[in-house]
Amino acid sequence: NAGVTQTPKFQVLKTGQSMTLQCAQDMNHEYMSWYRQDPGMGLRLIHYSVGAGITDQGEVPNGYNVSRSTTEDFPLRLLSAAPSQTSVYFCASSPLGSPLHFGNGTRLTVT
Amino acid sequence: DAKTTQPPSMDCAEGRAANLPCNHSTISGNEYVYWYRQIHSQGPQYIIHGLKNNETNEMASLIITEDRKSSTLILPHATLRDTAVYYCIVRPHYSGATNKLIFGTGTLLAVQP
Repeated sequence: NAGVTQTPKFQVLKTGQSMTLQCAQDMNHEYMSWYRQDPGMGLRLIHYSVGAGITDQGEVPNGYNVSRSTTEDFPLRLLSAAPSQTSVYFCASSPLGSPLHFGNGTRLTVT
Repeated sequence: DAKTTQPPSMDCAEGRAANLPCNHSTISGNEYVYWYRQIHSQGPQYIIHGLKNNETNEMASLIITEDRKSSTLILPHATLRDTAVYYCIVRPHYSGATNKLIFGTGTLLAVQP
């Protein structure tokens, strides 16, 4: 198993640009989620999903959209990037009720 | 979900036991205590979890007080590779619960040679 795979590893955007952060897992996990981590801070939950076709908001959802059309993929979309979205983004997955498996992150800079 | 309180940082000598405390005085009966750690720039890694009994696995031991208002994560023989931020999290653990984890700022454990 490859585990949780995040792409790209690094990205630089200009203010107002849009992009999609990719997250894929090959463990057939029902639950998937996105976190952001700002320098010196803990992780904050953006969006999560308990299965294909089901998504919900976390602590800091504004400025981000998600969809879950398959069990394997959970992309995170930034519609109009802002400097405040400069952060490290982590995707995580797990079976429901089990500990999370995290990817290695995408480091995003918005100028 | 109940909140947790952890010291911001701790030091430990290499080869000694590292004891990381966590207060969760508002924990409710169906909430488990989870521990994760994050080594610099990597994604968090699950360590251990428990409800009320002490737990041990290949990575660590978890000691939960009888009133469940606090717990201690023990790394029995800390190595330099254990230097990381350690997060203590409480969350419901039943079949209908989501896996939402609310992270605090954790404890930065620095293992000294």
